[in-house]
Amino acid sequence: KNQVEQSPQSLIILEGKNCTLQCNYTVSPFSNLRWYKQDTGRGPVSLTIMTFSENTKSNGRYTATLDADTKQSSLHITASQLSDSASYICVVSDRGSTLGRLYFGRGTQLTVWP
Amino acid sequence: EADIYQTPRYLVIGTGKKITLECSQTMGHDKMYWYQQDPGMELHLIHYSYGVNSTEKGDLSSESTVSRIRTEHFPLTLESARPSHTSQYLCASSERKHTSTDTQYFGPGTRLTVL
Repeated sequence: KNQVEQSPQSLIILEGKNCTLQCNYTVSPFSNLRWYKQDTGRGPVSLTIMTFSENTKSNGRYTATLDADTKQSSLHITASQLSDSASYICVVSDRGSTLGRLYFGRGTQLTVWP
Repeated sequence: EADIYQTPRYLVIGTGKKITLECSQTMGHDKMYWYQQDPGMELHLIHYSYGVNSTEKGDLSSESTVSRIRTEHFPLTLESARPSHTSQYLCASSERKHTSTDTQYFGPGTRLTVL
């Protein structure tokens, strides 16, 4: 069964600190992995996308890594800000169909305190 | 900010009512999707469309129905709402027809509560 597991489930850090969120997946055949940010009461917004051949991708203070061999990804947030408080969702796409079916993790709920 | 809109943002209704959740996008995207999301849980695909006059059921069984008469519009209808339908409904769209790498752009969601 294709699955996406994220850890930790929730995380509290102080403003200015760094943090790393983890994602393990079993989706096969693998096409790409995305990290989305979802603010409370809003829809998810794409942060990064990585295909099989990419092992790192940055978007400002967000840096995602991918190890396709171990089927693991991480999202590193540098110098956290209050506005980083949100749920971060790992999404893996397969290439078994033209739809490119997406498999969603449950997200890591990040809270940044002042 | 993606140009995809959902109305209403919040809806509280009684059991047995018929409701339609609206979703529209102005990006000219071919593919559109409806997801259901409960608090702390993953998104589940309930319907999708490749384009006008195309609708398909997703992974999660749903009593809702959808239509795609116009490219920009993808409404979701519940004929008789029940408390088990209480959830957040997210609409999304993506540009390309036959690739798994296109990014899905999400609307703000509709929070539905059925009493």
